[in-house]
Amino acid sequence: QKEVEQDPGPLSVPEGAIVSLNCTYSNSAFQYFMWYRQYSRKGPELLMYTYSSGNKEDGRFTAQVDKSSKYISLFIRDSQPSDSATYLCAIYEGGGNKLTFGTGTQLKVEL
Amino acid sequence: DSGVTQTPKHLITATGQRVTLRCSPRSGDLSVYWYQQSLDQGLQFLIHYYNGEERAKGNILERFSAQQFPDLHSELNLSSLELGDSALYFCASSGGTGRETQYFGPGTRLLVL
Repeated sequence: QKEVEQDPGPLSVPEGAIVSLNCTYSNSAFQYFMWYRQYSRKGPELLMYTYSSGNKEDGRFTAQVDKSSKYISLFIRDSQPSDSATYLCAIYEGGGNKLTFGTGTQLKVEL
Repeated sequence: DSGVTQTPKHLITATGQRVTLRCSPRSGDLSVYWYQQSLDQGLQFLIHYYNGEERAKGNILERFSAQQFPDLHSELNLSSLELGDSALYFCASSGGTGRETQYFGPGTRLLVL
């Protein structure tokens, strides 16, 4: 079992839709949870960062963490074609001093 | 622009060869991380350096090595290259030892023929 599981998609939605992206993880020692966005042939860029269970909102993006279920989500409201990218969840384990990434979900927002 | 620079952007070489990838972290960042991204494996952590010292190792092959210099730039050396080493190699930097958010460079695309 991989430490971080993420559905690779692709996920195709119409413009304006609410998008839900999810990851599950297996190691309860994971402490910090991040979402990165990666456009084709570019480096990942950080979208959201949280370390506690609950919701964190930033504009059209909401990150949700449920540590009891080892489940994290990213919601995108009013999705735009410019949101078309691959979204990677990343989890930091303090003791191991490294980030573990999911394989990424490819999202396409269509006009 | 994340502030992290990587050179070269593209590299084409033959099997058995050796290449060096270079990374300059964001101004003031002491940590440098190297990742490999291939289609079938996703983004894999290779190694982390903090202020010149190795801090953590991930799935880094023995044919690969890295170092961080006093000016904080880092180099990733890949030797005895195989076809399967073809991938995107990213460098990321952060201010501290790992908990801080990591900022990624644009990557080096390596093609081994």
